[in-house]
Amino acid sequence: NAGVTQTPKFQVLKTGQSMTLQCAQDMNHEYMSWYRQDPGMGLRLIHYSVGAGITDQGEVPNGYNVSRSTTEDFPLRLLSAAPSQTSVYFCASSYLGVRYTEAFFGQGTRLTVV
Amino acid sequence: AQKITQTQPGMFVQEKEAVTLDCTYDTSDQSYGLFWYKQPSSGEMIFLIYQGSYDEQNATEGRYSLNFQKARKSANLVISASQLGDSAMYFCAMRGPTGANSKLTFGKGITLSVRP
Repeated sequence: NAGVTQTPKFQVLKTGQSMTLQCAQDMNHEYMSWYRQDPGMGLRLIHYSVGAGITDQGEVPNGYNVSRSTTEDFPLRLLSAAPSQTSVYFCASSYLGVRYTEAFFGQGTRLTVV
Repeated sequence: AQKITQTQPGMFVQEKEAVTLDCTYDTSDQSYGLFWYKQPSSGEMIFLIYQGSYDEQNATEGRYSLNFQKARKSANLVISASQLGDSAMYFCAMRGPTGANSKLTFGKGITLSVRP
């Protein structure tokens, strides 16, 4: 059982380049989300989805784009990378609701924009 | 909107002693879930414990217990008999049942260091 698969693990981009972070889960979770983690800031929600075809913005959505065409996949696109997007990115998925709906996380992507 | 507050500075505890990590929350939902995660220096996120807002008893999972005080809107994590491997960052999180509150909201985290 793979759980949440997030790729790549490390990435260096030049300012202005675009890229896509991949996230896939095999647990049939309705909820998928992307967070960024910066020192002293905790995990801040970028975008989330409660099902295929449904996405919504989180706390820090600017500069990022998402889509959810299938239950399994939730890619995060950086349209034009900026140094301020240097961060560690986590994908997470879970069932919806409040009863025992803990999130399962990918391994994280350490992104550096130079 | 829901909010999680973790304001403790870095915490230190002696090996084999107990430690409490504080978490307060705010939400307009009557039904919600509270979660604690551990992030060791290797970076992965590890789920520790869950508490439902309607659960009458405090949750326990091995050496972890959650001191849930609904009226005070607090959900503190208690780690008993600390071990060196407990040194990590700890995050409190919550979610509501539907709509925008169904998203999982995290606090800023607390760093715990266990001294031998």
